[in-house]
Amino acid sequence: NAGVTQTPKFRILKIGQSMTLQCTQDMNHNYMYWYRQDPGMGLKLIYYSVGAGITDKGEVPNGYNVSRSTTEDFPLRLELAAPSQTSVYFCASSSGSGGVEKLFFGSGTQLSVL
Amino acid sequence: AQKITQTQPGMFVQEKEAVTLDCTYDTSDPSYGLFWYKQPSSGEMIFLIYQGSYDQQNATEGRYSLNFQKARKSANLVISASQLGDSAMYFCAMREDNQGGKLIFGQGTELSVKP
Repeated sequence: NAGVTQTPKFRILKIGQSMTLQCTQDMNHNYMYWYRQDPGMGLKLIYYSVGAGITDKGEVPNGYNVSRSTTEDFPLRLELAAPSQTSVYFCASSSGSGGVEKLFFGSGTQLSVL
Repeated sequence: AQKITQTQPGMFVQEKEAVTLDCTYDTSDPSYGLFWYKQPSSGEMIFLIYQGSYDQQNATEGRYSLNFQKARKSANLVISASQLGDSAMYFCAMREDNQGGKLIFGQGTELSVKP
């Protein structure tokens, strides 16, 4: 089972460049999330989605955009990269069906903006 | 306002002893879920345990149990019989069901198990 797949695993950007972090899940989950984790810190919610065509801002959305055209994919777009966006990015998904739920995580993307 | 608070940046425990990691939360939503995750130095996020706000009993998963005190809004993780492999960062998280599935994390507690 692939679960949640993130690409790329590592990326170095120059200030002002743009890029898209890809996230795909094959579990038919409704809920998908993007988090960033700065060194020694917790995970901060950037954006989340409860289904195709529906997205909402999290705790730290500035400088990012998302789309959810299909259930499987939830790409995160960085426009005009800044050093403050250097972080590890995690994509996650859950069924959203309530009850005992797990949040399944991708393996993360280490992004450096120089 | 911070909705999930972990007040212990670092904890030490002797191998084979039990340890409690604190987590308090703040919500007015009557329906919510509480999660604990482990993050070893490899960086992966490992699900440990879940507690729903309407669950009458405290959740348990092997050596992990969640001490859920709803009136105090606390959801402490208890690890029994600590092992060296338990050394990691531990994160508490909350999902408010009437907030469209929004799920936020606390700052984390770094647990070190001493031999």
